[in-house]
Amino acid sequence: QQPVQSPQAVILREGEDAVINCSSSKALYSVHWYRQKHGEAPVFLMILLKGGEQKGHDKISASFNEKKQQSSLYLTASQLSYSGTYFCGTDLFGNEKLTFGTGTRLTIIP
Amino acid sequence: DTAVSQTPKYLVTQMGNDKSIKCEQNLGHDTMYWYKQDSKKFLKIMFSYNNKELIINETVPNRFSPKSPDKAHLNLHINSLELGDSAVYFCATTGRENYGYTFGSGTRLTVV
Repeated sequence: QQPVQSPQAVILREGEDAVINCSSSKALYSVHWYRQKHGEAPVFLMILLKGGEQKGHDKISASFNEKKQQSSLYLTASQLSYSGTYFCGTDLFGNEKLTFGTGTRLTIIP
Repeated sequence: DTAVSQTPKYLVTQMGNDKSIKCEQNLGHDTMYWYKQDSKKFLKIMFSYNNKELIINETVPNRFSPKSPDKAHLNLHINSLELGDSAVYFCATTGRENYGYTFGSGTRLTVV
């Protein structure tokens, strides 16, 4: 079943912060986060593993609540380059078969 | 050198035709995938191969047939194309455990 992301869309001014949420109805092994710019491929940002391990980029942070099967992506001091659609991808069994979320469109304005 | 390359980038074809999309990766990754992204941006897995062996075969019409001639290549052949097949098809790879997907640039397929 497809994870649900919220909000569906958000508009921010440069320098503002954003939080994007991803909720699953099933227990998760890991959560991935990707950013897709218009007309381009999704780009890997971060992975959060059961047990608390994280791997990803320095300027992006995220959390993973295993009990609630929820993850949140935190974008601080947003830059114009952060614009795009953000997807979470959930892995139930550790086999890296991802089910992607509904997407959150982030627009940063000067 | 592009890490994951797909050809063609754009494909416009008529209903009923047969077409192929090719994917090549130079990352040395073991696992390759095909994903379909529809007009609502929903990304859905179609197939996965690990070292030339089919691992995942989602509920996809059997008009779609993947082939992996070697670890670096994964192709997708589609028979009898239908209007509903119009989408962007992405190839992706994973290598090191738990280090995310690397996507190809996508193939925009339009069936008319």
